[in-house]
Amino acid sequence: GQNIDQPTEMTATEGAIVQINCTYQTSGFNGLFWYQQHAGEAPTFLSYNVLDGLEEKGRFSSFLSRSKGYSYLLLKELQMKDSASYLCAVSDSNYQLIWGAGTKLIIKP
Amino acid sequence: GAVVSQHPSWVICKSGTSVKIECRSLDFQATTMFWYRQFPKQSLMLMATSNEGSKATYEQGVEKDKFLINHASLTLSTLTVTSAHPEDSSFYICSAGTSDYNEQFFGPGTRLTVL
Repeated sequence: GQNIDQPTEMTATEGAIVQINCTYQTSGFNGLFWYQQHAGEAPTFLSYNVLDGLEEKGRFSSFLSRSKGYSYLLLKELQMKDSASYLCAVSDSNYQLIWGAGTKLIIKP
Repeated sequence: GAVVSQHPSWVICKSGTSVKIECRSLDFQATTMFWYRQFPKQSLMLMATSNEGSKATYEQGVEKDKFLINHASLTLSTLTVTSAHPEDSSFYICSAGTSDYNEQFFGPGTRLTVL
């Protein structure tokens, strides 16, 4: 079956760095997405990786290793507004998104 | 970026009534639209995928006669929750995909409360 695993919850301190991991097993692979979702709101797009390596976008970076079925989202210089759930999703062979359960990130002052 | 709207943003209805939710892609043509449901503190659950002009494909466990999906044009899809019950209360989110399927653009969601 298809499976996306990510930690349920993480806590970090304002100003610090946090890495959220995601491992996947899917039928085919057409890219991996990271979305941010604040409570009560719809997800918003953060990043897309389809080739191995690191994609950097401001304070956020996303890494992909297709051979290991692994990705991580790296958040630097954490701000209180970064408190949210972070969803990992993989586009499978049918271009359907397979969603992880999300990682709730709690930022403490 | 591409913009997707949903209407209404929230709705409260009585048990047994039907509710229609609209999803529109405002500045692009969406060949595929997706409907998700999200219960509190849970992840997104895909309900169905619809392609313009064809019948929607429902995920296992989703009643197609209860959740009617119409995708009549490249910019509009509707989800009708028929004979709504309190357990249907949830956050319903649509997303739209372009022809290259590489990204889904999400609407802001509709919060449905059935009394």
